[in-house]
Amino acid sequence: QKEVEQNSGPLSVPEGAIASLNCTYSDRGSQSFFWYRQYSGKSPELIMFIYSNGDKEDGRFTAQLNKASQYVSLLIRDSQPSDSATYLCALRSGSARQLTFGSGTQLTVLP
Amino acid sequence: DVKVTQSSRYLVKRTGEKVFLECVQDMDHENMFWYRQDPGLGLRLIYFSYDVKMKEKGDIPEGYSVSREKKERFSLILESASTNQTSMYLCASTRSTDNYGYTFGSGTRLTVV
Repeated sequence: QKEVEQNSGPLSVPEGAIASLNCTYSDRGSQSFFWYRQYSGKSPELIMFIYSNGDKEDGRFTAQLNKASQYVSLLIRDSQPSDSATYLCALRSGSARQLTFGSGTQLTVLP
Repeated sequence: DVKVTQSSRYLVKRTGEKVFLECVQDMDHENMFWYRQDPGLGLRLIYFSYDVKMKEKGDIPEGYSVSREKKERFSLILESASTNQTSMYLCASTRSTDNYGYTFGSGTRLTVV
């Protein structure tokens, strides 16, 4: 079993809809969770991080964390074609310095 | 603007060559990382360093080595390049005292022929 699981997609949503991206993990010692966006041919860029159970909102983005169920999700409201990218879930376990990444979910927002 | 700079955007090397990939950051970060990214496999950690001259193996260190002689520079070395090392290589850095994730370089697309 992979440490970080993401549905590879592709996930397609119409413009203006809510896109929901999900990530599950196996290590209960995981402390910090990150969502990165990666456009084709570009490097990942951080869009959200979350440490505590519950929701964290930043503009059109909401990260949700449920440590008991070992999942973290990213909601994108009012999706735009410019949101079309691969979204990577990552986590840090305990005092580790490194992040462990999922394989990413490809999102396409249709105009 | 803070930066992680990778020396080459595209690189083509021959099988058996020794290859150096360079990464420089200007943020005074203690931690630096090398990942490779392949379709369907995501980002896999090769090596990381948490201080000058210090290094730790990641998940896939075989066939690679690293060097960190100065805090701002972290080099990845392919001792004898092979075709299965054709990949996108990403360097990243972060400060030890924060927990805000990585800053990534722009990546090096390496092709070994």
